Amino acid sequence: EPEVTQTPSHQVTQMGQEVILRCVPISNHLYFYWYRQILGQKVEFLVSFYNNEISEKSEIFDDQFSVERPDGSNFTLKIRSTKLEDSAMYFCASSARLTSPVPYTQYFGPGTRLTVL
Amino acid sequence: RKEVEQDPGPFNVPEGATVAFNCTYSNSASQSFFWYRQDCRKEPKLLMSVYSSGNEDGRFTAQLNRASQYISLLIRDSKLSDSATYLCVVNMDTGGFKTIFGAGTRLFVKA
Repeated sequence: EPEVTQTPSHQVTQMGQEVILRCVPISNHLYFYWYRQILGQKVEFLVSFYNNEISEKSEIFDDQFSVERPDGSNFTLKIRSTKLEDSAMYFCASSARLTSPVPYTQYFGPGTRLTVL
Repeated sequence: RKEVEQDPGPFNVPEGATVAFNCTYSNSASQSFFWYRQDCRKEPKLLMSVYSSGNEDGRFTAQLNRASQYISLLIRDSKLSDSATYLCVVNMDTGGFKTIFGAGTRLFVKA
């Protein structure tokens, strides 16, 4: 069964450093998403991406964040200058075409745990 | 008002019990609806989509009432393996695609 993969599983970084979180969505999916979940809190939407551009972003997704699909298979989230409060689990998700039986059904990767020291 | 609101829980039930979770959403632009389950420190896993006509998958039944902006999940004959957090998820098409998660309801099924 196809699945979303994410690397690394755990990233430790110093405050102020840049990090890039990587995701490989399911191969025939067209919509891609990033979420974060701070420990003990709910899953929060960051951004959706379709047709090589951002479709929607939340208030959390400020200028420190960017997304890219550099090579047609990877989908990356970059945080330019990490803060302590960026420590969280980051989940990537993908969903299929609008013609699917239930469009926008999202499948999640296992997450990257980001720890900012 | 929160965009997606769920029973706070936790629900503690014995094996074999029937348990129901409720969820309300506030944005009428909401288009598609889902229940996910999340085990501790793991990714959300799709449990089922929710249709206006109601749908069933084995021991799980989901209902959607668009007029009341209300979604429910019923679990019959609870198993120990059903212990998890159940997440109500709403997709909105507001020109872009945005997804809102409820805070989740924790379920503990005990022997």
